[in-house]
Amino acid sequence: GAGVSQSPRYKVAKRGQDVALRCDPISGHVSLFWYQQALGQGPEFLTYFQNEAQLDKSGLPSDRFFAERPEGSVSTLKIQRTQQEDSAVYLCASSSGLAGPYEQYFGPGTRLTVT
Amino acid sequence: KQEVTQIPAALSVPEGENLVLNCSFTDSAIYNLQWFRQDPGKGLTSLLLIQSSQREQTSGRLNASLDKSSGRSTLYIAASQPGDSATYLCAPGGASGGSYIPTFGRGTSLIVHP
Repeated sequence: GAGVSQSPRYKVAKRGQDVALRCDPISGHVSLFWYQQALGQGPEFLTYFQNEAQLDKSGLPSDRFFAERPEGSVSTLKIQRTQQEDSAVYLCASSSGLAGPYEQYFGPGTRLTVT
Repeated sequence: KQEVTQIPAALSVPEGENLVLNCSFTDSAIYNLQWFRQDPGKGLTSLLLIQSSQREQTSGRLNASLDKSSGRSTLYIAASQPGDSATYLCAPGGASGGSYIPTFGRGTSLIVHP
């Protein structure tokens, strides 16, 4: 595709529900990143994949957050037993490869509201 | 841990002014630095990327400079227009697991009025 796409664009979940957020990176991009952006803040790093390998998950806030990219393309961020503090915009970005300059291209985000 | 500060937090100017947005970061061991623009309710759009070996990059009315040793970057917007209204985010990229992970500031919210 022409850019990074994310679905759904908006998600409302009741506290305690599980949610799954999808990211389709730019075709051929090796690296994929997830970020969480709270209102009025800059994005905060969650996790990073190189192909199907999850190389850094240091930003995941709790073990309720899980991400996967099984075939090295589409990625899913799953949040179990959602809490109100999980309400945020979840952004996905992709980057072309293993060499610089490592420019990141972002999707439109999924706005999650936990009620 | 990298800390990024952007000054000013908000800016409101009349059309036509030349603008300077400042970014400072605490860890100078970066590989690159990106400037992004974010419109309300939208994702981030990359404006400029400066590699750590470079001093500046230019694209149209935008010019970004990088002083890695002092931990500073500046985004200069010439002849501002109402369409430039958005939040501007600075993100120095540090190494992690074979790639470079950007750390974001809180941004500068810019309004350019006609």
